[in-house]
Amino acid sequence: QQQVKQSPQSLIVQKGGISIINCAYENTAFDYFPWYQQFPGKGPALLIAIRPDVSEKKEGRFTISFNKSAKQFSLHIMDSQPGDSATYFCAAKSAIQGAQKLVFGQGTRLTINP
Amino acid sequence: DTGVSQDPRHKITKRGQNVTFRCDPISEHNRLYWYRQTLGQGPEFLTYFQNEAQLEKSRLLSDRFSAERPKGSFSTLEIQRTEQGDSAMYLCASSLALTPLNEQFFGPGTRLTVL
Repeated sequence: QQQVKQSPQSLIVQKGGISIINCAYENTAFDYFPWYQQFPGKGPALLIAIRPDVSEKKEGRFTISFNKSAKQFSLHIMDSQPGDSATYFCAAKSAIQGAQKLVFGQGTRLTINP
Repeated sequence: DTGVSQDPRHKITKRGQNVTFRCDPISEHNRLYWYRQTLGQGPEFLTYFQNEAQLEKSRLLSDRFSAERPKGSFSTLEIQRTEQGDSAMYLCASSLALTPLNEQFFGPGTRLTVL
């Protein structure tokens, strides 16, 4: 059972453009939504995260938009650069006490063309 | 400031052999997690420790898998009688409980290939 659905699977954006990756979830107990960036052969690196009490969080060129009623959240990368080419994963964690596991989406392979 | 470290980075073994991986978390992080990632997929949770106590285990963690964190610092993950289906990247992460977001920071992973 896939609890976090991520789209698209792959994305090609021109340098300087906006990259948008979307995720949807079903479990209303989720209360923490991080995004990770992963380069080939490396572990995932935490990029930015959000809780449902805010609708948007911005850090540099990266923005998370959160829609609690639709149970959707998205990552926007502004002014995309070739160095942003990587696989991006959204994830979610439950608020249930003691539940610490992250549930990941399937990933989006992003390619930024120079 | 050292991040999460894992050893070895790569392991090739023959089916039926036992393998053991080590994870050293970020200093003072009291939570430690193991995930498994197969090619083209997101990481899947296996288990986590708070200090030395193993608090949650996934159904993915069959009886051939065992994880320990004896002194609440480093952790080991052992796979007995390896199978080809165990080939994957094994990721370790750590976090500090009671921080507002309890962010999990991942290590570089151990890539296991079972022949």
